[in-house]
Formats: sequence, structure tokens, C-alpha cells
Amino acid sequence: QKEVEQDPGPLSVPEGAIVSLNCTYSNSAFQYFMWYRQYSRKGPELLMYTYSSGNKEDGRFTAQVDKSSKYISLFIRDSQPSDSATYLCAILNSGGYQKVTFGIGTKLQVIP
Amino acid sequence: NAGVTQTPKFRVLKTGQSMTLLCAQDMNHEYMYWYRQDPGMGLRLIHYSVGEGTTAKGEVPDGYNVSRLKKQNFLLGLESAAPSQTSVYFCASSPPLAGWYGELFFGEGSRLTVL
Repeated sequence: QKEVEQDPGPLSVPEGAIVSLNCTYSNSAFQYFMWYRQYSRKGPELLMYTYSSGNKEDGRFTAQVDKSSKYISLFIRDSQPSDSATYLCAILNSGGYQKVTFGIGTKLQVIP
Repeated sequence: NAGVTQTPKFRVLKTGQSMTLLCAQDMNHEYMYWYRQDPGMGLRLIHYSVGEGTTAKGEVPDGYNVSRLKKQNFLLGLESAAPSQTSVYFCASSPPLAGWYGELFFGEGSRLTVL
């Protein structure tokens, strides 16, 4: 079983829509959950991170972790064409050395 | 502030040729990593280094070697390139672990094609 699973999409939405991106993970011991954004032909950049359960909001972006179901989500409100990118969920595995494991990424296109 | 710089950005090799990818970071980070990114496979860790003079294997180390002679540089070598090594390679770095929440700083990638 993979440590983190993510639907690759692609996902296409009209400008202004609410976007929901999701991942599942396998190990209940994981504590840090991240979302990276990767524009075409660029390296990934950290968008948000969450520690343990709950929500974290940053402008139009909300990250949510449900540890009971091992589910992590990213919501984008009022989506913009500039949000078009690939979004990768990631977990920090603190067992052994500190390893970051990524989902395969969901490609999002926001249509004007 | 350059961050993480990778060279070259593009390269085409023939099967059996060798090459080295160079990663340089100017953030004084201890940890450095090499990932490869392939469609449907995501980012996979090849090798990593926890400090100058140390390296360790990641998930997919076969066919690659690395060296970290200086803290700011991390080299990835392919001794005998194979078509299966066609990929986009990303170098990343991270600060010391205390309080670290998983932020990696990535370069822009090196696109390698092996014919």
C-alpha cells in the first residue's frame, strides 16, 4: 500500500468555482501534512502545511486533515486562472530519518 | 537570492553514456535531495544527504551515484545511462530538522532524455 494516494485528475473548473483536492494516507502516525503547488516546467513549492488534525486557512486556500479517516484535503475558493497548476499532497514521515513522501499530484486547470 | 540551482536544464544522452547533474544551494541548508518525477509515478527520492561528506539511498537509487564534497553542492551521476532514466530530475534542500515541518526548497528541474 502506498503511503499517500492521490487522484491525478486532470480537473477542469470554471473561474470562480470552489475546488476540492484530496488525498488519503496509510499510516496513522503521520503528523505533518503538506500541499505543494507545481507550475508547468517548474519545481514544486510549499503552499500550506498542517500539523495533526483540523483546518488551516490562508487567503483563498484551506487545508484540512481528518485523521480518523486518514484523509487530507485542499479547498480553493474563488478559483483563478493563475491557480492552474499541479497540486501535490505530501506527508512527513518522522520514522527513521525525516522523509517527505509525495502523492502523484492532481493537475488543475481553471478556465477563464 | 538564487535558492537552489540545477545545471544543466536539458540534456539528451545516448544509451551507455555518462553524465553528472549539479545542484547548488545558497541557503546554508544541511539536507539535500535528488528526486525524479515521472508521469503517473510522482516524485520519487533517489538519494539524499544529511551533511557534507555523507550520502544515503532513497527509494530508487539503482543506476545513480551521488557525492556531497561541499555543503552547498550535491552531484547526481549516471554512469551508464538507460532509456528508463529518461525523466525530470529535481534537486531539493531543507534546513536543520529542529521544528521542521517538511518544507523542501526545489530547483527548477533538469530534463534528461536517454535515447
